[in-house]
Amino acid sequence: EVQLVQSRAEVKKPGESLKISCQGSGYSFPYYWIAWVRQMPGKGLEWMGIIYPRDSTTRYTPSFQGQVTISADKSVSTVYLQWSSLKASDTAIYYCARQDGYGTYYFDFWGQGTLVTVSS
Amino acid sequence: QSALTQPASVSGSPGQSITISCTGTSSDVGAHNYVSWYQQHPGNAPKLMIFEVSNRPSGVPDRFSGSKSGNTASLTISGLQAEDEADYYCTSYTTSTLWVFGGGTELTVL
Repeated sequence: EVQLVQSRAEVKKPGESLKISCQGSGYSFPYYWIAWVRQMPGKGLEWMGIIYPRDSTTRYTPSFQGQVTISADKSVSTVYLQWSSLKASDTAIYYCARQDGYGTYYFDFWGQGTLVTVSS
Repeated sequence: QSALTQPASVSGSPGQSITISCTGTSSDVGAHNYVSWYQQHPGNAPKLMIFEVSNRPSGVPDRFSGSKSGNTASLTISGLQAEDEADYYCTSYTTSTLWVFGGGTELTVL
C-alpha cells in the first residue's frame, strides 16, 4: 500500500528555521517525483515545487523560488521542505503529493498534511 | 502564473447533476490534456478524482466525469450524493511554471 506520512504539526516563532518531512512507503520511492503544496488558512491549494528523489532534481514555482528549500534523502525514503527564516505568512497546512510515474502530470497519493503555525 | 478560474460555489439537490468549470489559457488548460481534479473534504488531504481531463482513478465512482473544450475544463457530477459535498480544485500543468491550481469550488448538496 502506497503511503506518504508527514511529520507532526509545528509551532514556531518568526525568524526561526524549520524542516518538515514526508516519508514514502509501499513503492519504489526514488523513481517518483514528490511535490509540496501549501494551503493557507481558509484558502485554496498552491503548488510550491517538486523533487525527483533519485537524483534530487528540484523545480520551484516562481512564487516559492528562493523562499523555501526542497530536498530528499532516498536512503530513508524521505522528502523535506525547509525554511531558514519563518514569517507569520508561512502559517499554513503543507501537503506532499506523489506524481504518478514518468510522463504523468497528476498526483495520485497525498500525505495527511503538516500544520505549521508561525506566531510570536 | 495566475490561478485557473473556477466558480466559488455551486449547489445541487441529491440526484441532480452539477458542472464545475475551470478556465485557463492556451499556456495551461488549452495547451495539453494534463488537467486533473481533486476533491477535498474539510480537514482532509486532497483526493484525485479525474486525471488527464477525463480519466477516473480506480475507486472513483463513474458519477464523476471530466471534459475539456479549448481553454476550459469541466467536472460533472451526476446523481449527486450527500458525500459529494466538498471543495473541488482543478489543476493543470503549464508550459512555463510547473502546475497551477484553480481557486477551488465549494459544492453544497442541498
